[in-house]
Formats: sequence, C-alpha cells, structure tokens
Amino acid sequence: GAVVSQHPSWVICKSGTSVKIECRSLDFQATTMFWYRQFPKQSLMLMATSNEGSKATYEQGVEKDKFLINHASLTLSTLTVTSAHPEDSSFYICSALAGRLGEQFFGPGTRLTVL
Amino acid sequence: AQSVTQLDSQVPVFEEAPVELRCNYSSSVSVYLFWYVQYPNQGLQLLLKYLSGSTLVKGINGFEAEFNKSQTSFHLRKPSVHISDTAEYFCAVSDRGFQKLVFGTGTRLLVSP
Repeated sequence: GAVVSQHPSWVICKSGTSVKIECRSLDFQATTMFWYRQFPKQSLMLMATSNEGSKATYEQGVEKDKFLINHASLTLSTLTVTSAHPEDSSFYICSALAGRLGEQFFGPGTRLTVL
Repeated sequence: AQSVTQLDSQVPVFEEAPVELRCNYSSSVSVYLFWYVQYPNQGLQLLLKYLSGSTLVKGINGFEAEFNKSQTSFHLRKPSVHISDTAEYFCAVSDRGFQKLVFGTGTRLLVSP
C-alpha cells in the first residue's frame, strides 16, 4: 500500500517555542492530507484538512493561528505548532488521500512534549 | 453529528480463541464504516470498510465485520486470533467516503499464549 512518513517521530521543546512536523507521501501524490490529534486513551480528532496549493480547512475549535498548516507540494504537508505550551503536548498524526477510492493512508505519528 | 462508541477499551483473549470487538455508531445520514489497526510505532492501517452492498465485509488478516443498520453496529470479528493480532483497533464512521473520518476511542486487543 501507499506509505506516509512523519518527521520527527518525537520531539521535546520548551514552552514558547515553535515546532514543525512534516508529513510526506513517499510513493504517491496527495492533493489532500489530514492532520489529527490524539490524546492518551482518546480517539483521533481531526484538526484540519490540508489541500495542496490552497489554505487549510480547520475544524471547529482548532486555532488556525496556532496550528499553521502548509501544503506546498503534492507530497509534503507541514504542521507548525507556534508558541507551544504544555497543553499542546499530544500525539499528532497525518494522513493522505490516495488511490481510486481516495483511501486515507496514515503516518506513524509524532509525539510532541512541551516542557 | 456523527459519533462512534467502542465500549471495550481492552479485550484480553487467548491465542486461537475467537474475538469480537464492538463498535456502535450514530449518524443521521448514509454512513461509511471502517476498522483500522494500529501496531506499535506504526500508522493506522485499514482492515476493512463498508461503503455499500453486502453487510458482511471481509478484510485483511482474517477479520470480518457486519454492518447492522437496525442496531447501528459494525462489530469486528475473527474466528481464531494470533499473537501477532495484538494491537489497537479503531472503528470509524464517515458520511463522505474516506473523508472526514470520526474515530472511536479504540480497543486494545491483547492476545496471550
């Protein structure tokens, strides 16, 4: 199947700094990618839909100025957590649409810890 | 609004025993239903999906699920589990195919010898 990678797999940062997470589709092009957030023992919550060459669509309650999404190419979307705070600590997962049915393929996730 | 309930946070089972992971959903429109599996340090992988047609859906690794509209359920089953089936399983629902998936909280399947 199609492969999606994320980098880094884990990151620790100080409060107030910004962190960038990359999501790449390795063997296919993806015009649409998704970013999810997962808290321990909770479900994946869709944060935003990222479309190549256009602005991301954010879900209700997600601060677009805090979670900056850029989808500059058909194989790369980035999520930047700006001025991170401890409450932003979470597991961030991306996915990309591919194939005839537009199936979502998921990355392995990035664990962010903000001290 | 759509929602998914996975009542069992953890299901322990012995190897070669049958297993059922429960999933109930709520939706006011047509639904598409999915089961994903997540192995440690890996991304979610699609096990099976119901988009239309037969209510009994067969997936990879010997798993199957049955769409029951009257009970709003989509339970996942396997007649004989292996140690390698130990993982986290997520049920998801959508009203737009693979887009805008709403996930349950997951069920951890623990298979022991």
